[in-house]
Amino acid sequence: AQSVTQLDSHVSVSEGTPVLLRCNYSSSYSPSLFWYVQHPNKGLQLLLKYTSAATLVKGINGFEAEFKKSETSFHLTKPSAHMSDAAEYFCVVSDLNNFNKFYFGSGTKLNVKP
Amino acid sequence: SAVISQKPSRDICQRGTSLTIQCQVDSQVTMMFWYRQQPGQSLTLIATANQGSEATYESGFVIDKFPISRPNLTFSTLTVSNMSPEDSSIYLCSVGWDRAYNEQFFGPGTRLTVL
Repeated sequence: AQSVTQLDSHVSVSEGTPVLLRCNYSSSYSPSLFWYVQHPNKGLQLLLKYTSAATLVKGINGFEAEFKKSETSFHLTKPSAHMSDAAEYFCVVSDLNNFNKFYFGSGTKLNVKP
Repeated sequence: SAVISQKPSRDICQRGTSLTIQCQVDSQVTMMFWYRQQPGQSLTLIATANQGSEATYESGFVIDKFPISRPNLTFSTLTVSNMSPEDSSIYLCSVGWDRAYNEQFFGPGTRLTVL
């Protein structure tokens, strides 16, 4: 069975400081992992994805995530937060053996203080 | 990527009625999915819309409540039947191209309020 745990429901950082959003996954097979962002009253936007290539994945807007199989983690980071990063972030797991179904984590709301 | 539109973008409905949500894609896609996002919650997969055959529902979702059609490779509908206030949610469709690519693009969502 697949599942995703986002360890923090809310994260608050100051503008210009690093961002860390944590995600742990469970999957019976080689997973694909994704981070999506949802701004208030906006649609879901793909930030980055891991599909068994390089373990360090770079995405849009300066975000990156590292796949660590031994820790079953896929944490999202950004060196310097911007006010426009304030949004909700979802970690997602999927695998080819489960018909590409997406399983979403509970989400992390990122607040960026000026 | 793809341009995905949903109609309506929002609606307010009375309990006991039904609403059909449309999802239109600007190119042919292999996979289409429907999700529900309840207020303040994450997204939950309702079903996979299969072209030319019955949809595949996830545990907790049934065809009588959420009938789905997919007549071709660019269009699908989700009906929320006999609505109650608990059905107030955002309903999103997503699309994908092939299993190997394994990426989904999401529509803007339909915000449904049931009174």
